[in-house]
Amino acid sequence: EAEVAQSPRYKITEKSQAVAFWCDPISGHATLYWYRQILGQGPELLVQFQDESVVDDSQLPKDRFSAERLKGVDSTLKIQPAELGDSAMYLCASSLVSQGDSPLHFGNGTRLTVT
Amino acid sequence: AQSVTQLDSQVPVFEEAPVELRCNYSSSVSVYLFWYVQYPNQGLQLLLKYLSGSTLVESINGFEAEFNKSQTSFHLRKPSVHISDTAEYFCAVSLLSGGYNKLIFGAGTRLAVHP
Repeated sequence: EAEVAQSPRYKITEKSQAVAFWCDPISGHATLYWYRQILGQGPELLVQFQDESVVDDSQLPKDRFSAERLKGVDSTLKIQPAELGDSAMYLCASSLVSQGDSPLHFGNGTRLTVT
Repeated sequence: AQSVTQLDSQVPVFEEAPVELRCNYSSSVSVYLFWYVQYPNQGLQLLLKYLSGSTLVESINGFEAEFNKSQTSFHLRKPSVHISDTAEYFCAVSLLSGGYNKLIFGAGTRLAVHP
């Protein structure tokens, strides 16, 4: 079964440094999501792409976070500068379409630790 | 605002006992409802979903959930749990926002099955 690929699996960085995460969705999936999951909480949507366009970034801290999906395929999420409170699991997901009944397929995530 | 409430943060249970994980949502419109499961250090996997039709939906590994519109609930049940069911379970509702659907998650319930 096709999977959503994410890298790296783990990342440790010092505060004020820049960090980037990469995601390759399932082939043919038009919708791509980045979620942040703080320990003990449910995933929170950061940004949603439809092809190469951002359709929802209302919860993205735009002063330090950026996301792009230039060719409408893979995506990068960047944090600059990183803060201690950014320590979390960053999950990428994709779906075939952005319909309510289209399930999300998740990658295994990138666990970020900011020291 | 639409929200999802999972009433129990942790549920300990003995192997082969029945279990119920509770989920309530707030919405004034028709919704799609989902349960996802997350094993340690992995992404989320779809367990089951309610889109329309029969209010009782089942998964391939013995879980079932019942959509109750009057009580705005979507509780997850299993008549006999296994050690391998130990995981975090997330209830989610699909929200239409700005012409696109996004998934809103509850805080999760950690199911711990003991021998």
